Amino acid sequence: KQEVTQIPAALSVPEGENLVLNCSFTDSAIYNLQWFRQDPGKGLTSLLLIQSSQREQTSGRLNASLDKSSGRSTLYIAASQPGDSATYLCAVRETGTASKLTFGTGTRLQVTL
Amino acid sequence: DAGVTQSPTHLIKTRGQQVTLRCSPISGHKSVSWYQQVLGQGPQFIFQYYEKEERGRGNFPDRFSARQFPNYSSELNVNALLLGDSALYLCASSLWQDKSNEKLFFGSGTQLSVL
Repeated sequence: KQEVTQIPAALSVPEGENLVLNCSFTDSAIYNLQWFRQDPGKGLTSLLLIQSSQREQTSGRLNASLDKSSGRSTLYIAASQPGDSATYLCAVRETGTASKLTFGTGTRLQVTL
Repeated sequence: DAGVTQSPTHLIKTRGQQVTLRCSPISGHKSVSWYQQVLGQGPQFIFQYYEKEERGRGNFPDRFSARQFPNYSSELNVNALLLGDSALYLCASSLWQDKSNEKLFFGSGTQLSVL
């Protein structure tokens, strides 16, 4: 059974810092891995999707990497801003159960002034 | 273009009642998925429908059911509500054409409280 773990569970950083969020998964038979952002009580916004054949994806200040063989992904946020404060979730789509995404429990990020 | 829309946004029910949640996908998307998110946890997969057929089901009891209509909108029904059904229910739509590059677009969710 696929298990997705995110570390740390919560993180507080001052504005302007670069930071890394971690995601690990137990079964490497995946189609892709996605990173999402969720604001309190709201839905999920897709940030980046990395296909299993890719190593990284970039969008603006965000960079996500994928090491499928070791079951790890990182989300790098450069020059953090207070508006980045949210919960960040990673999710994998497995090849055996393509209908569903399996999510981690998220990292709650607070960027302070 | 409108994103994924869900209704209602909030709902309060009592134990034993039944509830219906509604979702309209992004125009052109034929796949709709439902997820349950309990406070402090990641979303858990409930169902996926594509072209009005169930394509996947998560580990939820038979009290949970869903359907997809010819216009690709979807309903999630939960019978005999339990306190533990209190959660944010998320709907997501997608094209369902290329699984390796399949991106889900989520609605804002329906917050269900069972008293």
